Amino acid sequence: EPEVTQTPSHQVTQMGQEVILRCVPISNHLYFYWYRQILGQKVEFLVSFYNNEISEKSEIFDDQFSVERPDGSNFTLKIRSTKLEDSAMYFCASSEPNEQFFGPGTRLTVL
Amino acid sequence: GESVGLHLPTLSVQEGDNSIINCAYSNSASDYFIWYKQESGKGPQFIIDIRSNMDKRQGQRVTVLLNKTVKHLSLQIAATQPGDSAVYFCAENIMDTGRRALTFGSGTRLQVQP
Repeated sequence: EPEVTQTPSHQVTQMGQEVILRCVPISNHLYFYWYRQILGQKVEFLVSFYNNEISEKSEIFDDQFSVERPDGSNFTLKIRSTKLEDSAMYFCASSEPNEQFFGPGTRLTVL
Repeated sequence: GESVGLHLPTLSVQEGDNSIINCAYSNSASDYFIWYKQESGKGPQFIIDIRSNMDKRQGQRVTVLLNKTVKHLSLQIAATQPGDSAVYFCAENIMDTGRRALTFGSGTRLQVQP
């Protein structure tokens, strides 16, 4: 069964450093998303991406964040200068358009 | 994918019993609802969805009920199994506007006792 994959599973970084989280969405899906889940809190929407551009973003998705689909398979989330409060699980999802399927997540720890 | 919030409501059931997990959603304009299951260390897993033009939808061992009048959604799991133990989230969206951002609820932990 096709699934969304994410790498790395755990990323530790120093405050102020840049990180890139990587995702391979399900191959025939057209919409791509990033969500995050701070420990003990709800899953929160960050951004959606369609037709090579951002279609929607939340207030969390400020100028420190960017997304890219550098090739036909990968979808990345970059955080330019990480802050302590960026520590969370980051989930990538994709949809065909409706049912969103989530990856296993990347745990980002900012020290 | 941990959702180990100290304040998650918990439903504890015996194996073989039926489980009912409830969710109150926030936006009366929402027209698409989904239930996700999240096991420890994993991402949310799609269970079942329902559009606002329906009030009930059935899947394999699961049923979702939607009451738009009181903005309430429930997930019924028949013959609950130990593998059903997880945190369950409802999520909502307003698809008619073309939006795709899901708004998640805070989750309910289901514990199945063997």
